[in-house]
Amino acid sequence: GAGVSQSPSNKVTEKGKDVELRCDPISGHTALYWYRQSLGQGLEFLIYFQGNSAPDKSGLPSDRFSAERTGGSVSTLTIQRTQQEDSAVYLCASSLGGQAYNEQFFGPGTRLTVL
Amino acid sequence: AQKITQTQPGMFVQEKEAVTLDCTYDTSDPSYGLFWYKQPSSGEMIFLIYQGSYDQQNATEGRYSLNFQKARKSANLVISASQLGDSAMYFCAMPPSGSARQLTFGSGTQLTVLP
Repeated sequence: GAGVSQSPSNKVTEKGKDVELRCDPISGHTALYWYRQSLGQGLEFLIYFQGNSAPDKSGLPSDRFSAERTGGSVSTLTIQRTQQEDSAVYLCASSLGGQAYNEQFFGPGTRLTVL
Repeated sequence: AQKITQTQPGMFVQEKEAVTLDCTYDTSDPSYGLFWYKQPSSGEMIFLIYQGSYDQQNATEGRYSLNFQKARKSANLVISASQLGDSAMYFCAMPPSGSARQLTFGSGTQLTVLP
């Protein structure tokens, strides 16, 4: 009965470096979401995957951000040439389907610090 | 675009008392849902309760209940018999309109339960 897992839990990087954040959703969940939470703020949507459909990338803040979901399961969020304003907690969530009433289960997040 | 407003950045409540956390929303969708999530200091987002706009009765889950007033576009969370472990950030959220399914979050309310 594993929940959503994310790795690493913490990542410190230098400005300009690339980082990869991983999300392992709950088995059988077809929908996967990435959100970003800056200190003391609410959650900001980044990207949404549903089954084999094209992802909804409307929340990605710049072309330095990209995400993949391989085999309908594990997802990787990549941030290229990191900037200090990218420092935040990156949360992944999954849900059984993409319906509005489907509860989203969140992972513990990855805290990214860009020096 | 849909909007969620939480007007209480911080709330205090005495242990064992009830507390109401406010949430108002704006949507043009005839059918929608409201979620409440709890985020302790550890960072994970914990689903608390969901209310669909066409649900006949207010949702309840243990000590959590929703005071849902469609005419006022409010979906306040009521926590009865507060416990010290209830101290956390609380977010109201709803899926936006259209085909997207990502949650739109309010800015949150930091609840502190006093012994």
